[in-house]
Amino acid sequence: DTEVTQTPKHLVMGMTNKKSLKCEQHMGHRAMYWYKQKAKKPPELMFVYSYEKLSINESVPSRFSPECPNSSLLNLHLHALQPEDSALYLCASSQVAGEEQFFGPGTRLTVL
Amino acid sequence: SQQGEEDPQALSIQEGENATMNCSYKTSINNLQWYRQNSGRGLVHLILIRSNEREKHSGRLRVTLDTSKKSSSLLITASRAADTASYFCATDLTGNQFYFGTGTSLTVIP
Repeated sequence: DTEVTQTPKHLVMGMTNKKSLKCEQHMGHRAMYWYKQKAKKPPELMFVYSYEKLSINESVPSRFSPECPNSSLLNLHLHALQPEDSALYLCASSQVAGEEQFFGPGTRLTVL
Repeated sequence: SQQGEEDPQALSIQEGENATMNCSYKTSINNLQWYRQNSGRGLVHLILIRSNEREKHSGRLRVTLDTSKKSSSLLITASRAADTASYFCATDLTGNQFYFGTGTSLTVIP
C-alpha cells in the first residue's frame, strides 16, 4: 500500500467551529507532515512529526493543533479559524524526515 | 521566507519538445527534490538529488545540481500532453526544514 489518505476531501466551517482533518498511511513511514497551500502558491510546511514526535513548528498560529496518535495517523485540529485560513491542506509521509515524500490528495478547507 | 525560486514561472511548449526548469536556493542543503502537481491535487515525487551528486536521471527526466551556484535544473525530454502540470523544486535543509520553490507551470500543447 503506497497511498496516503486524507479525510474529508472538502470541509466548510464557520469561524466558531471546531473540526479535525485526518491523514493515514500504512507504508511504515516514520515522518509525517502537514502543509498549507493557497491557490497558485507552493505548499508551506506547517508541522513535521518524526518518530511520532513533533520536531518542528513553523510558527503556525495556535488555532491549528497537530496530533500524531500513532505512526500511521496524523490529525490536524482546527479551532476558531479565520477566512484567510481557507486553503488546500496536504498531508505527506516519508521513510524518515527529509526523504522522498508521498502526498495525500488534500482537504480543501473553506472558512466562512 | 521561501528557500527556492524557480524560473520560468510559466512555460508553454509543443508536444515532443524538451522543457527545462531552473531552481535557485539560498542556503546549504542535504538534498533537493522535484515534485509535480496536477491542478489542485496532491504532489507526486519525481526525483531526489543529494548534495554530493551532480546529475541524476529517471526515465525522461534529467536533474542537475550545482551546489556552488546553489541551483538545480529539471529537464523533461520528449514532452507529452500528460506532462502538463506545475513543477516544484523543494530543498531539505536538516531533515526537518523543507521548503518548496515558487513553481513552474508547464503547458504541453498536443
